Amino acid sequence: DVKVTQSSRYLVKRTGEKVFLECVQDMDHENMFWYRQDPGLGLRLIYFSYDVKMKEKGDIPEGYSVSREKKERFSLILESASTNQTSMYLCASSLSAVLYGYTFGSGTRLTVV
Amino acid sequence: QKEVEQNSGPLSVPEGAIASLNCTYSDRVSQSFFWYRQYSGKSPELIMSIYSNGDKEDGRFTAQLNKASQYVSLLIRDSQPSDSATYLCAVEGSNYKLTFGKGTLLTVNP
Repeated sequence: DVKVTQSSRYLVKRTGEKVFLECVQDMDHENMFWYRQDPGLGLRLIYFSYDVKMKEKGDIPEGYSVSREKKERFSLILESASTNQTSMYLCASSLSAVLYGYTFGSGTRLTVV
Repeated sequence: QKEVEQNSGPLSVPEGAIASLNCTYSDRVSQSFFWYRQYSGKSPELIMSIYSNGDKEDGRFTAQLNKASQYVSLLIRDSQPSDSATYLCAVEGSNYKLTFGKGTLLTVNP
């Protein structure tokens, strides 16, 4: 089975801090995604990447950036954390979204205080 | 903007009943459809995929697809309390990514 590992399950950060969320997948998938999930708003795509060093903005990229230096690792960066970025962050990877859908990591519950 | 609509619920059914979860989508050219189950505080888990019109069965789960009506559904037979979760419908939006509905909360009462 594909494993998608997010480095932290729970994280508490202060306003203004730079925050790194790490995601690693072990199945050589080309496509990786970062979502945030909030009650009533569902899953919202922040950024995605379909190859090393390639990235594309999703629906809500403001305040975030990403890095994909190696195929297995996709990092989400909050440049200056704000309280409205308190959320559940979900990483996903896919060989082909059309054929196989996504595999999600276990998520990181981020609280910004 | 491609959209996927689900009734947010909560949908409440007694144990042993059939739970019916529905989803409509806006993009007529979508070809792949997925159902994810998400327990409270956990991440989504893929439970069914369907690509052709008709029914697809896997154990107690049946996915149904009607492309003409742009409608996909998930039936859960003999519902169990362990089926209580939020069910997310996902539709292929491009070659790389899916568009998700906001999910339907299902509660199965013992």
